[in-house]
Amino acid sequence: NAGVTQTPKFQVLKTGQSMTLQCAQDMNHEYMSWYRQDPGMGLRLIHYSVGAGITDQGEVPNGYNVSRSTTEDFPLRLLSAAPSQTSVYFCASSYTDLNTEAFFGQGTRLTVV
Amino acid sequence: EDKVVQSPLSLVVHEGDTVTLNCSYEVTNFRSLLWYKQEKKAPTFLFMLTSSGIEKKSGRLSSILDKKELSSILNITATQTGDSAIYLCAGLRQGGSEKLVFGKGTKLTVNP
Repeated sequence: NAGVTQTPKFQVLKTGQSMTLQCAQDMNHEYMSWYRQDPGMGLRLIHYSVGAGITDQGEVPNGYNVSRSTTEDFPLRLLSAAPSQTSVYFCASSYTDLNTEAFFGQGTRLTVV
Repeated sequence: EDKVVQSPLSLVVHEGDTVTLNCSYEVTNFRSLLWYKQEKKAPTFLFMLTSSGIEKKSGRLSSILDKKELSSILNITATQTGDSAIYLCAGLRQGGSEKLVFGKGTKLTVNP
């Protein structure tokens, strides 16, 4: 049972570098989302998608891009990494909407130096 | 602006104690309140509460929603060291932009 798979688990970037955090789910879930978790801040929504081809901004979208070309994949792109983007990133998915259990990936710990 | 506030932010108890974690919410077009447990990595789902006054139970954990007070509590009885975790509360906002709004979490430490 793969569930929600995030890669990589750890990443160190230099300021200004770009990278893509990968998220894939094999549960045929329509709803997918990206959160960042910082100490003392809880989980904050970055971007979300209600289905293939549809994305929208969350609470803290600046500096991040997303796309949803397939139901399974929802990559998060950092265009020009900044130290303020040092965080743990979680991808989550749920069946049709959020009024069901959301399944989280194991997280990506990103450090920007 | 939507917000979810959890209290206390941290709590240290001994095995066997009973704890109550609090969550209050101000969420536009509120639909449900969800509780998650986060140990070392990914949050895992505990409860979803939609109706006021109906308790949900799972083993030693239980939770109830009070829509009049815009709040929820999570009770854990006879705590065990395995209950040590961060407990997250989230309000679900329904509508065109359906979103989960998370609180900062309560860090529970259960000592033997």
